[in-house]
Amino acid sequence: DAKTTQPNSMESNEEEPVHLPCNHSTISGTDYIHWYRQLPSQGPEYVIHGLTSNVNNRMASLAIAEDRKSSTLILHRATLRDAAVYYCILRDVSRYGGSQGNLIFGKGTKLSVKP
Amino acid sequence: DSGVTQTPKHLITATGQRVTLRCSPRSGDLSVYWYQQSLDQGLQFLIQYYNGEERAKGNILERFSAQQFPDLHSELNLSSLELGDSALYFCASSVSGGRNYNEQFFGPGTRLTVL
Repeated sequence: DAKTTQPNSMESNEEEPVHLPCNHSTISGTDYIHWYRQLPSQGPEYVIHGLTSNVNNRMASLAIAEDRKSSTLILHRATLRDAAVYYCILRDVSRYGGSQGNLIFGKGTKLSVKP
Repeated sequence: DSGVTQTPKHLITATGQRVTLRCSPRSGDLSVYWYQQSLDQGLQFLIQYYNGEERAKGNILERFSAQQFPDLHSELNLSSLELGDSALYFCASSVSGGRNYNEQFFGPGTRLTVL
């Protein structure tokens, strides 16, 4: 799977927007971009995923660059509960031929939210 | 609450021993994944089962084995335990686990301490 690069840590103020970047310059045409986050002392949880177009859901927005070499997870108003490690993961569905779905986690970005 | 349950929550044992970790997936989910999270290695995929059959293997040691039962719950068996096996073990489940992406739901984890 193609590799992703994320900053080790970021800080944000409560109720302000947060933009978490992810670089994936070797992304292939069949790589989906996934974001998961891990709150302290919990298992990871799904945030959002996309292929080419920007995506929105109740938790966040995903902005994908036109060349797909980078993407940004946007939290519109950070809350203290959003303090977590955010993982950007690429998954090539074509390679796995429909039989595998495991995620390959990197080190992620540790987001701190200040009140 | 993700709907995935794991037992026990904590496990303390000695080197050389054998333990079994149990996971019950969300109702309706056919795929179960096991991940190990240690301080130095981060979150690593171990193994995936789909509807009772092994589907994918990751960085799983030969001393470790898993199975998925007809009721879809899964067990991860760790034997000849070493100090380095101390980690958080997460189970995740998804509806399928192949080409058509389904998000993975993670359990709360089992913290294993080997003394």
